Amino acid sequence: AQTVTQSQPEMSVQEAETVTLSCTYDTSESNYYLFWYKQPPSRQMILVIRQEAYKQQNATENRFSVNFQKAAKSFSLKISDSQLGDTAMYFCAFINNNNDMRFGAGTRLTVKP
Amino acid sequence: DARVTQTPRHKVTEMGQEVTMRCQPILGHNTVFWYRQTMMQGLELLAYFRNRAPLDDSGMPKDRFSAEMPDATLATLKIQPSEPRDSAVYFCASGLPWDTQYFGPGTRLTVL
Repeated sequence: AQTVTQSQPEMSVQEAETVTLSCTYDTSESNYYLFWYKQPPSRQMILVIRQEAYKQQNATENRFSVNFQKAAKSFSLKISDSQLGDTAMYFCAFINNNNDMRFGAGTRLTVKP
Repeated sequence: DARVTQTPRHKVTEMGQEVTMRCQPILGHNTVFWYRQTMMQGLELLAYFRNRAPLDDSGMPKDRFSAEMPDATLATLKIQPSEPRDSAVYFCASGLPWDTQYFGPGTRLTVL
């Protein structure tokens, strides 16, 4: 069974600084997708970034980038130049080719002014 | 700007009542997912459909929950009878197979 683990229930960072959120997963498959979703207080789930497992190059989206270590089954999210609007719950998620989607428990990130 | 819509956004009901939540997936998406989010359990996958056919509903309490897609533009999640432990936010998401899921705004259900 696929599992996703986020070991940091809460984190905080000063505005304009960089923060890294950790995620590890467990699967026996070789092809899958990984995602980071953001859930602000509005509760809307917003896709932040995604990574295809067969791609070695780490995905980037503006201030957001990932460190994908396939052998270690690690998928961390780095947020550069943190902004107050980045305050949210962040969920790491995994999907395989059977559409079996799993979410981690989430990390609550607070950006402090 | 295509997006998933869900109705109602909020629902307060009494124990024993029937609750129906509706979702309109993004046009062209053929997979639809229902999730439940609570503080205790986090995000739980209840069911998902591909091309309107249910592929997996193992996460759903079968005795009181049912999910259907009467057509490609509508997915429904029904609870009958509702119980206080069903209080949660219910999300619908749509996407293409093995691809990003786009979430609706959720239905916040409170069962008294």
